Amino acid sequence: ETGVTQSPTHLIKTRGQQVTLRCSSQSGHNTVSWYQQALGQGPQFIFQYYREEENGRGNFPPRFSGLQFPNYSSELNVNALELDDSALYLCASSPGLAGLKEQYFGPGTRLTVT
Amino acid sequence: AQSVSQHNHHVILSEAASLELGCNYSYGGTVNLFWYVQYPGQHLQLLLKYFSGDPLVKGIKGFEAEFIKSKFSFNLRKPSVQWSDTAEYFCAVKTGSGGGADGLTFGKGTHLIIQP
Repeated sequence: ETGVTQSPTHLIKTRGQQVTLRCSSQSGHNTVSWYQQALGQGPQFIFQYYREEENGRGNFPPRFSGLQFPNYSSELNVNALELDDSALYLCASSPGLAGLKEQYFGPGTRLTVT
Repeated sequence: AQSVSQHNHHVILSEAASLELGCNYSYGGTVNLFWYVQYPGQHLQLLLKYFSGDPLVKGIKGFEAEFIKSKFSFNLRKPSVQWSDTAEYFCAVKTGSGGGADGLTFGKGTHLIIQP
């Protein structure tokens, strides 16, 4: 059974640019959640996709957007990057809505904005 | 909005010592509670979870946690730690509102170091 995978592992972008991060969910999981983890902090919930639709969002601005595909893989897009967007971005999949089912986390993508 | 407090950011123990990591949350309704662990160089993984029923839950690797509703607490315990327990530990909460759409709220984490 393949776990949650994320790409790329590391990324360096310049302020104002746009970035797309990718996540492949674990087999059989129809829900993907994205989290931002700043250095020294716990993960913060960005949003969740359930059956290809956004289903729940944390306190993040609209320049954070996402997609979920029919195979339940997902993308996180961030426009107009700011220095504070530098963080580890975690993807988690679950066989149902987050919080109601156990989430399985990927290794994360480390984004640095300069 | 709910919040999660983990009292100790850094804990250093010797092998065989007993462990208790504190976690308090701020929400008066129904909650689902989790402890996640991140070993060095590895993904976040679930240690244990509480949804309902017996408030004393057992997880992997000898860990357990007790849900005390009156204290809004979900402390993690292990009677005898090992060097391999060195890791970052996160408490997380999901409130009953939102029907599962709200994601998890995490604490800031506790960095546990076990000295041989």
